[in-house]
Amino acid sequence: NAGVTQTPKFRILKIGQSMTLQCTQDMNHNYMYWYRQDPGMGLKLIYYSVGAGITDKGEVPNGYNVSRSTTEDFPLRLELAAPSQTSVYFCASRRPGRINEKLFFGSGTQLSVL
Amino acid sequence: QKEVEQDPGPLSVPEGAIVSLNCTYSNSAFQYFMWYRQYSRKGPELLMYTYSSGNKEDGRFTAQVDKSSKYISLFIRDSQPSDSATYLCAMSRDDKIIFGKGTRLHILP
Repeated sequence: NAGVTQTPKFRILKIGQSMTLQCTQDMNHNYMYWYRQDPGMGLKLIYYSVGAGITDKGEVPNGYNVSRSTTEDFPLRLELAAPSQTSVYFCASRRPGRINEKLFFGSGTQLSVL
Repeated sequence: QKEVEQDPGPLSVPEGAIVSLNCTYSNSAFQYFMWYRQYSRKGPELLMYTYSSGNKEDGRFTAQVDKSSKYISLFIRDSQPSDSATYLCAMSRDDKIIFGKGTRLHILP
């Protein structure tokens, strides 16, 4: 199993450009999450999904959009990129259930908006 | 007030010392409490997990939860240079998992 795979690993965007961060997992996990981590800071929840067709906002959803058409994929869309979106983005997944709280993380996407 | 508060450090201690890391939270709806460890340029990895007040031990690590005070702790005994990392507390409510800022820990040889 590859686990959680994120692409690309690095990207530089110009202000106003758009892009999609890809995330796929092969563990058949229902729950998937997108976090951003600013330098020296913790993880902030952007969006999450509890299954295909179901998404919900996290702590910092503004400027982002998500979709979940399959169990495996959970892409994060940035529209009109701004310098404030410069960050490392982590996708994570887990099994549902009250005792299955362990998150499996991807290796991250480092995004710079200039 | 942020839902989860954690002192970002950095915290530097000599090898062999006992390390104490802490988080407070404001929302009593949090049900499950976790500690993740993150090495530089890597994704976080789950270290400890608990869902009730009290202590949980795993090797050199002890997680402590006090729901009445909304306070959680992680203790590391006999600290090693390899423990140098960022430690993030995390808490779940409903289906969300919310993280603290993380504490950068340096173990000095």
